Amino acid sequence: QQQVKQSPQSLIVQKGGISIINCAYENTAFDYFPWYQQFPGKGPALLIAIRPDVSEKKEGRFTISFNKSAKQFSLHIMDSQPGDSATYFCAASKGGSRLTFGEGTQLTVNP
Amino acid sequence: NAGVTQTPKFRVLKTGQSMTLLCAQDMNHEYMYWYRQDPGMGLRLIHYSVGEGTTAKGEVPDGYNVSRLKKQNFLLGLESAAPSQTSVYFCASKRDGNSPLHFGNGTRLTVT
Repeated sequence: QQQVKQSPQSLIVQKGGISIINCAYENTAFDYFPWYQQFPGKGPALLIAIRPDVSEKKEGRFTISFNKSAKQFSLHIMDSQPGDSATYFCAASKGGSRLTFGEGTQLTVNP
Repeated sequence: NAGVTQTPKFRVLKTGQSMTLLCAQDMNHEYMYWYRQDPGMGLRLIHYSVGEGTTAKGEVPDGYNVSRLKKQNFLLGLESAAPSQTSVYFCASKRDGNSPLHFGNGTRLTVT
């Protein structure tokens, strides 16, 4: 049972464009929603995270939008750069326990 | 400060063989995790530990065992490897609660 569903599976964006990755969750008890970035041959690393008491969080070019009623959250990458090419995972957890990850999105930013 | 170190980086096993993957962290983290990563399936939790001497099952624990005898080490064992266990295995640790997970660089295991 996949409690966090992520789309699209892959995404190709031109340099300077906006990349958008979406996630939907089922468990209304989830209270922590991070995004992880993974480069080839490396482990994932935390990119940005949000809690359900806010609808948006921005860090530089990266923004999380959160819709509690729809049980959805998304990652927006503004002014996408070739260096952003990586695999992105959304995740969710409740009460500081184990993270449940989405399936992953492979982002390619063309120069 | 090495962070999370996984050994080995690569391994090829024959069906039925056994092996142990070692994870070591030097950040004095309480929580440690083993995930497997397969294409299109994201990261799935195998086993985890919330402190020295404790272990618990994750989403996909069958065929694996773990031990956490020392706070800094978390071992993942495969007693009788199967081709379905071909995957990339990641170890991760965190200080507590919702502090960020720190991942190692993975072990690529192939079972033939």
